[in-house]
Amino acid sequence: NAGVTQTPKFRILKIGQSMTLQCTQDMNHNYMYWYRQDPGMGLKLIYYSVGAGITDKGEVPNGYNVSRSTTEDFPLRLELAAPSQTSVYFCASSMAGTQYFGPGTRLLVL
Amino acid sequence: ELKVEQNPLFLSMQEEKNYTIYCNYSTTSDRLYWYRQDPGKSLESLFVLLSNGAVKQEGRLMASLDTKARLSTLHITAAVHDLSATYFCAVDIGGSGGSNYKLTFGKGTLLTVNP
Repeated sequence: NAGVTQTPKFRILKIGQSMTLQCTQDMNHNYMYWYRQDPGMGLKLIYYSVGAGITDKGEVPNGYNVSRSTTEDFPLRLELAAPSQTSVYFCASSMAGTQYFGPGTRLLVL
Repeated sequence: ELKVEQNPLFLSMQEEKNYTIYCNYSTTSDRLYWYRQDPGKSLESLFVLLSNGAVKQEGRLMASLDTKARLSTLHITAAVHDLSATYFCAVDIGGSGGSNYKLTFGKGTLLTVNP
């Protein structure tokens, strides 16, 4: 039981490039979430999903897109990377309450 | 808009001392979570508080929830170096009325325990 896994662990992007952050959970959780963490700012919710095929915006969705075609996977897409998207990204999942977090992806946009 | 405020944001303690971290929130809710994050690592769930007056304890950490005051506390007893980490509180804005279990996080309290 791996829990929540994320890939890659670290990535450097050039401004304007695109990439997908992968998130997979093996706990059969319905709810999945994407957060970004900036130094001293806590975690901000980007997008979330309540089940396969259903997604919704969080607090800071601009510049990101998501999809949820299966219960297990919840990828986060950055279309045109900007320096403001330099951050640590965490994926989390839950059944009903406590969220379980993946190890994070560190993204640097230069 | 729900606001979650933690204080202090930075806490430097000596071993064997006691201290409390406070978490205030602005909207009615009865679901509050505490997480721990070690440097460069992910978040680890510590406590889930689901009702007014809830108290949970694990080792040297004790968390409580007062929904009327919109306040949760994380009390540290006889601190040891291994407790050095950042501690976050997070509030479920949906509360008992049902939500998508979305969390709003405080900014975190960086705890350093010195010998």
